[in-house]
Amino acid sequence: GAVVSQHPSRVICKSGTSVKIECRSLDFQATTMFWYRQFPKKSLMLMATSNEGSKATYEQGVEKDKFLINHASLTLSTLTVTSAHPEDSSFYICSASRLREAEQYFGPGTRLTVT
Amino acid sequence: AQSVSQHNHHVILSEAASLELGCNYSYGGTVNLFWYVQYPGQHLQLLLKYFSGDPLVKGIKGFEAEFIKSKFSFNLRKPSVQWSDTAEYFCAVMRGGYSTLTFGKGTMLLVSP
Repeated sequence: GAVVSQHPSRVICKSGTSVKIECRSLDFQATTMFWYRQFPKKSLMLMATSNEGSKATYEQGVEKDKFLINHASLTLSTLTVTSAHPEDSSFYICSASRLREAEQYFGPGTRLTVT
Repeated sequence: AQSVSQHNHHVILSEAASLELGCNYSYGGTVNLFWYVQYPGQHLQLLLKYFSGDPLVKGIKGFEAEFIKSKFSFNLRKPSVQWSDTAEYFCAVMRGGYSTLTFGKGTMLLVSP
């Protein structure tokens, strides 16, 4: 149990366009979902935390108008990168946790390339 | 700000060698501690975790870690590594009462057959 999927696994988009990444918990209800960004040879950096039905809480330095997060159901959260630029190219990973559980279950990640 | 330090960025070992990966954190309060592993081309998986109780925690695949509160450390160990242990290992800390994880920069382990 506790499987998290992401879609797409890879996406290439042109500069100035928007791209949506989906994160789904397949076999459990995820009351909280997290979005991370992983740079090459660097750690995972938490971008935001979202609770189902609430606005996301963004980490310092993350532009909420650029990285739109929606957590409309207990099994789905989406991250939309708006007006993407080449510097947004990265590996985006989501994770999910159950109510009152600390453990996070990670998705396989999405490689975004902005040309 | 809370930080998590992993001492080695790259470790190369031969099969059957013993492994110890260091992890230190800077937060002084209650913490929950985790080690995650990321095999090539795969997603992050939990190796082991410490919340409370016995500071020596056993995880999957023969890994264990010891929480030493006085040293703010949570080092990962395995007595005898295998080629299949080649992966990147991340230490992560969750402050008590919070739900967010702070990750270390990771240690890339390469085990040669």
